[in-house]
Amino acid sequence: GESVGLHLPTLSVQEGDNSIINCAYSNSASDYFIWYKQESGKGPQFIIDIRSNMDKRQGQRVTVLLNKTVKHLSLQIAATQPGDSAVYFCAERSWGKLQFGAGTQVVVTP
Amino acid sequence: EAGVAQSPRYKIIEKRQSVAFWCNPISGHATLYWYQQILGQGPKLLIQFQNNGVVDDSQLPKDRFSAERLKGVDSTLKIQPAKLEDSAVYLCASTGMKKETQYFGPGTRLLVL
Repeated sequence: GESVGLHLPTLSVQEGDNSIINCAYSNSASDYFIWYKQESGKGPQFIIDIRSNMDKRQGQRVTVLLNKTVKHLSLQIAATQPGDSAVYFCAERSWGKLQFGAGTQVVVTP
Repeated sequence: EAGVAQSPRYKIIEKRQSVAFWCNPISGHATLYWYQQILGQGPKLLIQFQNNGVVDDSQLPKDRFSAERLKGVDSTLKIQPAKLEDSAVYLCASTGMKKETQYFGPGTRLLVL
């Protein structure tokens, strides 16, 4: 069936560098996408979202890019900090239901 | 603004026992969700409420799981009897009028022995 997936299960990033987390989706009917950050022992925390009629959206230190042609979503984190270490999930909304990918573990090294 | 509240935070039970989780959504949020998150996976929707009515429970194992939101505010999720494979984090989320961004609680970590 159609699903959301992530290319890399673990991403190691040096502090101060930019991080890019990728996500592939296969449901062309999805109209809304969200990135969540989940730290150990906590619930998912909203980072940024984007509607399907947009291709880029920026927040504080984060940018989400949507490429509908290849069904690809990415999250860019500028100047990665130790506090950015977490699991990052992309989620797509189709027919009103949110489907999550498996997640990418981001490890920030000094 | 207070976030989504859940209790208990941790629960350990033996298989075939019953367990209940409680969620209080963000004030004013009409839509409430229960998710199951197995270790190493993304959250999976179990049930969605709009006020006190069920919108979607297609992925809820109804032979053992039940949920209610009687007054359209807080909600309980029950498992009876529990199985080993029910060990997971149970997350509650809510959304406001825009029905887009879901805000999650800290979750209840269940271990079934």
